[in-house]
Amino acid sequence: AQSVTQPDIHITVSEGASLELRCNYSYGATPYLFWYVQSPGQGLQLLLKYFSGDTLVQGIKGFEAEFKRSQSSFNLRKPSVHWSDAAEYFCAVGRSTGTASKLTFGTGTRLQVTL
Amino acid sequence: DAGVIQSPRHEVTEMGQEVTLRCKPISGHDYLFWYRQTMMRGLELLIYFNNNVPIDDSGMPEDRFSAKMPNASFSTLKIQPSEPRDSAVYFCASSFSGGGTEAFFGQGTRLTVV
Repeated sequence: AQSVTQPDIHITVSEGASLELRCNYSYGATPYLFWYVQSPGQGLQLLLKYFSGDTLVQGIKGFEAEFKRSQSSFNLRKPSVHWSDAAEYFCAVGRSTGTASKLTFGTGTRLQVTL
Repeated sequence: DAGVIQSPRHEVTEMGQEVTLRCKPISGHDYLFWYRQTMMRGLELLIYFNNNVPIDDSGMPEDRFSAKMPNASFSTLKIQPSEPRDSAVYFCASSFSGGGTEAFFGQGTRLTVV
């Protein structure tokens, strides 16, 4: 069975500082990996996705993530955080057969940004 | 496209009452998913449909929960009778078939059962 671990429940960074959110997955084959962001009271918005090819993927809002098969990781990064990035971030894995949209989510990391 | 539309946004009901949550997927999408989000269990998949047919309902917690998709543009999730532990945010998502396509989520319905 597939699973996702986000080891950091809560992270606080200063505006302008760099950010890295950790994600580790467990899946028997090549996974499809996603990062979603959820602002308070809102639905989930896709930041970026990895299916194959280049292991460094670019997303919206200046985010990027790197797939490292050897470490079973898909960490999310941003070089300079803005106050509006404060939200909850979810890593998810989808199946590489059938529909990749059947997602297993991590428990999320809540990001707080201090001014 | 307006995206995935869920209604109502908020629902407060008394224990024992029937609750119906509604979802309109993005036009042309052939997969529809219902997720539940709670503090204790996070985001969990309840059921999903492909071309209006339920494919996997193993995440549905109890027989009190049922879901239907009578046509490509509408789905319901019903809880009867509702219990306080059903309080959660319920999300509907849709996607288009083909490897590697992402799911688009609605704004969610926040259900409170008192």
